[in-house]
This record gives sequence, structure tokens and C-alpha cells, in this order.
Amino acid sequence: GQQLNQSPQSMFIQEGEDVSMNCTSSSIFNTWLWYKQDPGEGPVLLIALYKAGELTSNGRLTAQFGITRKDSFLNISASIPSDVGIYFCAGLSNTGTASKLTFGTGTRLQVTL
Amino acid sequence: GAGVSQTPSNKVTEKGKYVELRCDPISGHTALYWYRQSLGQGPEFLIYFQGTGAADDSGLPNDRFFAVRPEGSVSTLKIQRTERGDSAVYLCASSPGGNQPQHFGDGTRLSIL
Repeated sequence: GQQLNQSPQSMFIQEGEDVSMNCTSSSIFNTWLWYKQDPGEGPVLLIALYKAGELTSNGRLTAQFGITRKDSFLNISASIPSDVGIYFCAGLSNTGTASKLTFGTGTRLQVTL
Repeated sequence: GAGVSQTPSNKVTEKGKYVELRCDPISGHTALYWYRQSLGQGPEFLIYFQGTGAADDSGLPNDRFFAVRPEGSVSTLKIQRTERGDSAVYLCASSPGGNQPQHFGDGTRLSIL
């Protein structure tokens, strides 16, 4: 099935550094979501974006819904070791009564001390 | 607990066997979703329930896969005549509906020998 393009695929950063990752799609979405997944667990919601151009923060996380509705980015400021994990973007399609998420390919983040 | 609960957490079975995977959504959530996640990939949509009815089953790979939600709460994903390619983590999510964010369980890791 379709998966959104996320970049970078993986990144190694030092504690305290800022991180930026993005997600692009060939399709328009009405809602963009960012999730974090740790090994053996399900994805955990970080941020939800509902309007084109919207910029939303959640603690050290900031995400934006692209103007074209075909992209989104996530920034993490001052990274800490517990930020390690896989980050997924997801676009929500609403067609009539149907509603489903299309996920990105994931960005694996590793933080070194 | 207050989150989405999935059982079993792990299931190992032989090729050709029948399996059932259970999902107990967040109380009050009318929408329930099943996704499948292969190693190194993002989750892929399988089926979406609004109440008791399947609003979108376009992600089910073939007719060996079937899901029910008879009372609009707990859902069961059923796989007949399992194949080795069915091995994956099966994730369940629920939401209040519409474009509200989906919250995920920790998944069932299915291994077909």
C-alpha cells in the first residue's frame, strides 16, 4: 500500500541538538499526525495538525502542516536520550464515513550522550 | 486500563492454522481501526469500523482476512489458512470518530512458522 515519504530515514545526533524531519505526499490530506514508536509498543500520538499552515507545539516538539496540504515537518529541540525511537508521520483521509491513516516510512532517531 | 488493549501480545502458529486477534478499544470510542506493520515499515491500513459496521475494508489483503465488531466495542480480526507472509505486528487503534486522532494499542506480534 501507499506510504508517505519521510526523511531522513535515520539520524544520529548528540544530546542537546535540535532535530528536524519531514514528510511528503503526492496526495492531499485534511489532517496530519506525528507519532513516536518504541520497540515492542504501539505508536504514541505526539502532535495533531488540522489546518493548512498550522504550526503547533507540544513541549520541545513543533510541527507544521504544509500550505499545499501535501507535507509536514516535525522539529525536536534540545534532544534528550529518551527521544530515541522511530517517528512516523501520518495523513488522515476522510471520504464520506470512511477514515484511515496513511503512514510514512519512519525516521529512526538515535541520541548519543 | 484506559488505553487500547490487544490480546494476545504474541502469537506463534503453524502455516495453515486459523488465528483470532482481539482488540478492546478506549471506552466510548465509536471508531475502531486495524493496521498491519511489517518489520521496518510504517503501519498499513486494513479495516475501519464505525460502530458495528465495517465502513472501509479496502485494506484487507484477501478473503482469508475478516474482522467483526458485533456490539460496537470489542473487535476480532480473523485470519484463515495462515501463510508465512502474514507474519507481522497487527495494530488496533480507536478514536471518537471523524478526524479525531487515533490511539493505538501495543499490537499482536504474529509469527507463522
